[in-house]
Amino acid sequence: DAKTTQPTSMDCAEGRAANLPCNHSTISGNEYVYWYRQIHSQGPQYIIHGLKNNETNEMASLIITEDRKSSTLILPHATLRDTAVYYCIVMEYGNKLVFGAGTILRVKS
Amino acid sequence: DTAVSQTPKYLVTQMGNDKSIKCEQNLGHDTMYWYKQDSKKFLKIMFSYNNKELIINETVPNRFSPKSPDKAHLNLHINSLELGDSAVYFCASSGLRYTEAFFGQGTRLTVV
Repeated sequence: DAKTTQPTSMDCAEGRAANLPCNHSTISGNEYVYWYRQIHSQGPQYIIHGLKNNETNEMASLIITEDRKSSTLILPHATLRDTAVYYCIVMEYGNKLVFGAGTILRVKS
Repeated sequence: DTAVSQTPKYLVTQMGNDKSIKCEQNLGHDTMYWYKQDSKKFLKIMFSYNNKELIINETVPNRFSPKSPDKAHLNLHINSLELGDSAVYFCASSGLRYTEAFFGQGTRLTVV
C-alpha cells in the first residue's frame, strides 16, 4: 500500500510555479521521498528524490519539511507539457516503488 | 538509444491464448520490474528481478511467469489469457538501491 497522501488534482496557470504537496507521516529514517510523473499514455518518468535536505535539478525542486512528514514538489515555470499525473513515493526496502493515485496536474494557458 | 524498450507496443489477442511481452534495458542496471496499470490507472508492481533472481512476486496469478535470461532482459509470459488481463504493462529497471527507475513505454494488452 502507498504510504503517501496527495491531493487528487490541481490546476496551475502556464508560466507559474506549480507546488504539489505530499504527506508521508509514517516515513522511516532511511526511506527516501521520490517523485515521478506520468504523461498521458507514457511510462512513468523520474523527476527527483531526497532524504532530508532540499534538492533541485533541471526539472524541479523538492522541499522536505524538517520532520520529514511532508514534502512539496515545485515546478518553477509550468508549461502545458507538464500536464501529467504526479506521484509522490516513499521508497520501501528493496527498490520497490509503490504508486498511489497521484495528483493530476493540469496546466492551463 | 532507448533505455528501456518493450515489444510489442500493442497486443490484441483472444481469451485462452498464451502471449509474451519482451523487455530489454541497455543501462547496465541490475534490477528489473514489471508493473501493471489497469483501466482505473493504478500502477501495481507485479515482479522484480535482481541479477536474474526473482526478489518480488506480488501475489500475481501463476499464469504470469517472468523470465530473465540475463540481467538486461526480463520477459513476461502469460498463459491462458483472461479478459481481466487487459491492461498496460510497463517494464522498468533501476541500478543500486535508491537510484531512480527508468520505465519503458508500455505494452497495451487487450484480451477479447
